[in-house]
Amino acid sequence: ILNVEQSPQSLHVQEGDSTNFTCSFPSSNFYALHWYRWETAKSPEALFVMTLNGDEKKKGRISATLNTKEGYSYLYIKGSQPEDSATYLCARGTGNQFYFGTGTSLTVIP
Amino acid sequence: GAVVSQHPSWVICKSGTSVKIECRSLDFQATTMFWYRQFPKQSLMLMATSNEGSKATYEQGVEKDKFLINHASLTLSTLTVTSAHPEDSSFYICSARSRGTYFGPGTRLTVL
Repeated sequence: ILNVEQSPQSLHVQEGDSTNFTCSFPSSNFYALHWYRWETAKSPEALFVMTLNGDEKKKGRISATLNTKEGYSYLYIKGSQPEDSATYLCARGTGNQFYFGTGTSLTVIP
Repeated sequence: GAVVSQHPSWVICKSGTSVKIECRSLDFQATTMFWYRQFPKQSLMLMATSNEGSKATYEQGVEKDKFLINHASLTLSTLTVTSAHPEDSSFYICSARSRGTYFGPGTRLTVL
């Protein structure tokens, strides 16, 4: 089992604050790292797929970085808004299979 | 974007009964669909890989006779939990692969 760890488990921030969370994973035999945003009662929404060491990806106010040598990825949210409240999942992909972390639950307080 | 639906979104059943969960890709064809479950405070864990027209591949520790998977068409996979027991109560979620991997919204199963 390829353990994927996410921290923190939950986070409360004020509207307008910037925040970040961590996904760590075994660095051997790396294939891809996926970030998903998951709102309650909805389908997880794909944010990023990252494959190369040093990758940085951005989607609006959300960005992510990847370090495959040390086995971690950071997700950043700039100027958090209440609509950013969700659980953010990372998953290490190995071709066919995804190995998920337990997620970081973000609550943005208006 | 690609949409995957699941039905039902939640179900409560009595111990010993069987429950069927449907996973549909609405606007694309998926030769491969995946079934995951999530117990409280744990991560999504892959149960099985469902391939259209062939037998599903189950992960270690998942009983194939208990969790029956049928992938009869390119847009539909079903998971049947047979003789459900309270320990099968969980959140079940499917995904379908096209150019990316797209998830359904999940099904909350409670077995009394």
